[in-house]
Amino acid sequence: DTEVTQTPKHLVMGMTNKKSLKCEQHMGHRAMYWYKQKAKKPPELMFVYSYEKLSINESVPSRFSPECPNSSLLNLHLHALQPEDSALYLCASSQDALMINYGYTFGSGTRLTVV
Amino acid sequence: QKEVEQNSGPLSVPEGAIASLNCTYSDRGSQSFFWYRQYSGKSPELIMSIYSNGDKEDGRFTAQLNKASQYVSLLIRDSQPSDSATYLCAVIHPGGGGNKLTFGTGTQLKVEL
Repeated sequence: DTEVTQTPKHLVMGMTNKKSLKCEQHMGHRAMYWYKQKAKKPPELMFVYSYEKLSINESVPSRFSPECPNSSLLNLHLHALQPEDSALYLCASSQDALMINYGYTFGSGTRLTVV
Repeated sequence: QKEVEQNSGPLSVPEGAIASLNCTYSDRGSQSFFWYRQYSGKSPELIMSIYSNGDKEDGRFTAQLNKASQYVSLLIRDSQPSDSATYLCAVIHPGGGGNKLTFGTGTQLKVEL
């Protein structure tokens, strides 16, 4: 299995809603990542989890709350989002956050629209 | 100053030609270099990685790295319409808390019939 699976593929939520994005990989990777991508822009790193512990938070607003329940799962909890948070949210994984000679495998993303 | 820079394009090449994509990076501590392909509305797909100076070939793709000039390039030979996509240069560099994969702005490639 060489895939990163993200659900849901599309999500529309109101500014007062609470929702969660889910990501799963079964490649034995020990590092998982959340990226945000706006239209016609490159992906921007949000969070890094290494061995199930949060190792990097790129000054992301607290309305985004990551969680790593185990080495295969990564969640992103959303609360009180703003319309400008609408974007493609990408999950990725790699062998190890400290090993540099491996690329990241990306999931297909969740297209989020905040209304 | 942007960490990873690319010409946004679009770069238009005729079918069968060689497409040349370029990337520069600012952090001399950068250690690994990748090229991702992203079709419109899809997620990035890793197509090449390179870690040491010189050329690396994989099928129709050749990646070139020059650490002294802080320059990475991707050549696509015998370009096909299916190669039309945005190509993202990405660099791993050390950061607080661990290594980070940072993307350039991407170059849009159009292969014309």
